[in-house]
Amino acid sequence: GENVEQHPSTLSVQEGDSAVIKCTYSDSASNYFPWYKQELGKGPQLIIDIRSNVGEKKDQRIAVTLNKTAKHFSLHITETQPEDSAVYFCAASIRAGANNLFFGTGTRLTVIP
Amino acid sequence: DSGVTQTPKHLITATGQRVTLRCSPRSGDLSVYWYQQSLDQGLQFLIQYYNGEERAKGNILERFSAQQFPDLHSELNLSSLELGDSALYFCASSPVGQATGELFFGEGSRLTVL
Repeated sequence: GENVEQHPSTLSVQEGDSAVIKCTYSDSASNYFPWYKQELGKGPQLIIDIRSNVGEKKDQRIAVTLNKTAKHFSLHITETQPEDSAVYFCAASIRAGANNLFFGTGTRLTVIP
Repeated sequence: DSGVTQTPKHLITATGQRVTLRCSPRSGDLSVYWYQQSLDQGLQFLIQYYNGEERAKGNILERFSAQQFPDLHSELNLSSLELGDSALYFCASSPVGQATGELFFGEGSRLTVL
């Protein structure tokens, strides 16, 4: 099955700096890559996703890049704010809508004011 | 608020016991998923139901079972509990038959086995 690895497990940045979280996957058939944000005491929430026919996608301060050849994808958060502090999970699936969504182990991001 | 409701929020029990976790999906969502989140672990997919029928199984132990009722709420039953079953259990729902891409998660049920 798919194996998703995520790094780093913890990340601390100063407010205003950028944060980058990286994930690799093993199954070349995967072509849907969502990112979820989990705030303290809450369930994960989708923040952005990308499909394999796209190399990069942006939504305000958040961007995701995908390199299918190298089987890795990354989340970039620019101009970080304290409210960005949370645990971020990457995931991979053979397609959007598949029930076999494989999650990474999460990155705890702390934005220091 | 995702619209997915899970009860109870916290549960403390002893080894060997049995518990039931309940999930009400978003209005209109037919699919329900159960995930387990252990300390320092990612989200492990347990099982999916669609409109009352089991659709897919993941890493679900034989001691665990689930079902989805006609009103679409779902229950996850955990029996013969062990210390290692202590975790956060999430329910998620998605619209139509399969996820269109987004899973809507509840706030989780934290199970502590002593």
